[in-house]
Amino acid sequence: ETGVTQTPRHLVMGMTNKKSLKCEQHLGHNAMYWYKQSAKKPLELMFVYSLEERVENNSVPSRFSPECPNSSHLFLHLHTLQPEDSALYLCASSEGLLTLHSGNTIYFGEGSWLTVV
Amino acid sequence: GEDVEQSLFLSVREGDSSVINCTYTDSSSTYLYWYKQEPGAGLQLLTYIFSNMDMKQDQRLTVLLNKKDKHLSLRIADTQTGDSAIYFCAENGGATNKLIFGTGTLLAVQP
Repeated sequence: ETGVTQTPRHLVMGMTNKKSLKCEQHLGHNAMYWYKQSAKKPLELMFVYSLEERVENNSVPSRFSPECPNSSHLFLHLHTLQPEDSALYLCASSEGLLTLHSGNTIYFGEGSWLTVV
Repeated sequence: GEDVEQSLFLSVREGDSSVINCTYTDSSSTYLYWYKQEPGAGLQLLTYIFSNMDMKQDQRLTVLLNKKDKHLSLRIADTQTGDSAIYFCAENGGATNKLIFGTGTLLAVQP
């Protein structure tokens, strides 16, 4: 138990569906992240939020839409996805943003396995 | 550029030591991390080392850092079957707000 909870753990959706992934952290952290993990690829950082404000968006297609209503919750809204979007989506949090001078560590949730059919 | 490389696979016998290696390119990295991912699970932080250290030990885990060669290793003593997992190294690099991860090393422990 890392203190970061993701739901659902598994999701199968059609290309025309709209669904959302939810993440909640119980650690009192101020920064939250979405990562994508695909087979045989390094983890890809998708979005970074600090104090509910998006601070980074790594050229992610608009069919992925993040939402951070408060510092404990992070959503990833999905619509008109493609089969190549099938992956493990990992939410993470840290006490503050990572900097060269800060050893903030990132704590990950268990991930949401997404299959797009 | 930012690049972190690891070998893809390592197989050891139970009770032996495992050494997982990682090389990185960004010399400005100040923190380097090791994460473990068990099947079907998220990433679990194992340990991290600050760049002004060359070694850190935590029970069965020993991290060695050669900053000159930009080489990081994780040694697991007395490897157990429960250590079978994918191990990722990561560095905080010159870019803020992100960790740069390697592709992971699958450690298979044979009984």
